[in-house]
Amino acid sequence: EVQLAESGGGLVQPGGSLRLSCGASGFTFSNFIVTWVRQAPGKGLEWVANIGRNDVDLKYLDSVKGRFTISRDNAKNSLFLQMNSLRVEDSALYYCARWIYNNGWSIDYWGQGTLVTVSS
Amino acid sequence: QTVVTQEPSLTVSPGGTVTLTCASGTGAVTSGNLPIWFQQTPGQPPRALIFGTNDRHSWTPARFSGSLLGDKAALTLSGAQPEDEADYYCLLFYGTYWMFGGGTKLTVL
Repeated sequence: EVQLAESGGGLVQPGGSLRLSCGASGFTFSNFIVTWVRQAPGKGLEWVANIGRNDVDLKYLDSVKGRFTISRDNAKNSLFLQMNSLRVEDSALYYCARWIYNNGWSIDYWGQGTLVTVSS
Repeated sequence: QTVVTQEPSLTVSPGGTVTLTCASGTGAVTSGNLPIWFQQTPGQPPRALIFGTNDRHSWTPARFSGSLLGDKAALTLSGAQPEDEADYYCLLFYGTYWMFGGGTKLTVL
C-alpha cells in the first residue's frame, strides 16, 4: 500500500526555520517526482515545490524561492522541505504528494499533512 | 507568477449539471497547461479527478468530465450527487511552476 507521512511541523517565530520530512512506503520512491503543496487554514491549495527523481529538476513557487529548499534521499525513501526565513503567511498544512505519468501528469497519492504555524 | 481564477461558489440541484471553469491570467488555457482537477472534502487531502484536460483516473466517476471551453479549462458534473458537495481546484502548468486556482465551493442543494 502506497503511503506518505509528513512530520516536522510545529510553531515557529517569524524569521525562524523548520525542516519538514515525508516518509514514503509501498512503492519505489526513486522512480517518482514528488511535491509539496500547502493549504492555509480555511484557504485554498498552493503548490510549493517539485523535485525530480534524482534530486534534479527543482521547481519552486516564487514566494518561497531563496527561502525554501526541497530535497530527497532516495536511499531512505524520504522527501524534505527546509524552510528558512519563515513568514506569518507561510502558516499552513503542508502536504507531500506523488506525481504520476499515464498519458498525462497527475498526483495520485497524498499524505495527511503536517501543520506549520508561524507566529510570535 | 500568474493568477488562476475559478468561480468562488456554485450550486447545483441533485441530478443536475454544472460546469466549473478555470481561467489563466496569462491568456487562454491550452492543453499545454496540462489541466488537472481535484476534489477536496473537509479534513481530507485533495483527490485528482481529471488530468491532461479530459482524462479520468480509474477512481473518477463517469459523471465528471473535463474539457477546454473557450479560453478556459472546464470541469462538468452531469447528474450531481449529494456526495459531490466539495471544494474543487484546478491546477495548471506554466513551464517552470504549477499554479492552483482559488477553488470553487460546490453545493448540491
